[in-house]
Amino acid sequence: DTAVSQTPKYLVTQMGNDKSIKCEQNLGHDTMYWYKQDSKKFLKIMFSYNNKELIINETVPNRFSPKSPDKAHLNLHINSLELGDSAVYFCASSPMPGQGYGGSYNEQFFGPGTRLTVL
Amino acid sequence: LAKTTQPISMDSYEGQEVNITCSHNNIATNDYITWYQQFPSQGPRFIIQGYKTKVTNEVASLFIPADRKSSTLSLPRVSLSDTAVYYCLINAGNMLTFGGGTRLMVKP
Repeated sequence: DTAVSQTPKYLVTQMGNDKSIKCEQNLGHDTMYWYKQDSKKFLKIMFSYNNKELIINETVPNRFSPKSPDKAHLNLHINSLELGDSAVYFCASSPMPGQGYGGSYNEQFFGPGTRLTVL
Repeated sequence: LAKTTQPISMDSYEGQEVNITCSHNNIATNDYITWYQQFPSQGPRFIIQGYKTKVTNEVASLFIPADRKSSTLSLPRVSLSDTAVYYCLINAGNMLTFGGGTRLMVKP
């Protein structure tokens, strides 16, 4: 059974469109994340949610809006897509948030990624 | 914010030990160091995590000197299947900072 799943795996769309990427984890984790990996393979965190509450919001355009309907799901909606949004987006989950919450840092489990191509 | 620096690439041969070093000069007292492995078209996968001195698991060892300004991932006797990108991650409070990754190529 897949631990962290993302849909779709590939997404090709035109500039200006609005699209969503869905993420689900069946590990019972409290914390979920979205990362962006660019063409040079740099991995950068975008958002983190703990039990449906936003705890990390990096400098990301407000065209990106995460939504967590429950702690097993963290979806990413992107408005008015731009060419520079083309990347691979990874969802991840961990048992608890990173340090700063009284516990040691925990292993993150990543999804397979969604390759977004904006034309 | 802890910045990390890793070599861009490394080559090795099957059966050799590989050591990849990550520099993190401004790591804070409570930060942990974690290494991830990524194969093409897959998400990163956890390898090992440590705070100080040495940590060993079934796949790797992590060496962290006393000043904690660097760490070294050691892969014993690599095989072709260890060809991947290896990332060093510093958890600085709520900030998760990945290094640029080291592309390891294992040759026969």
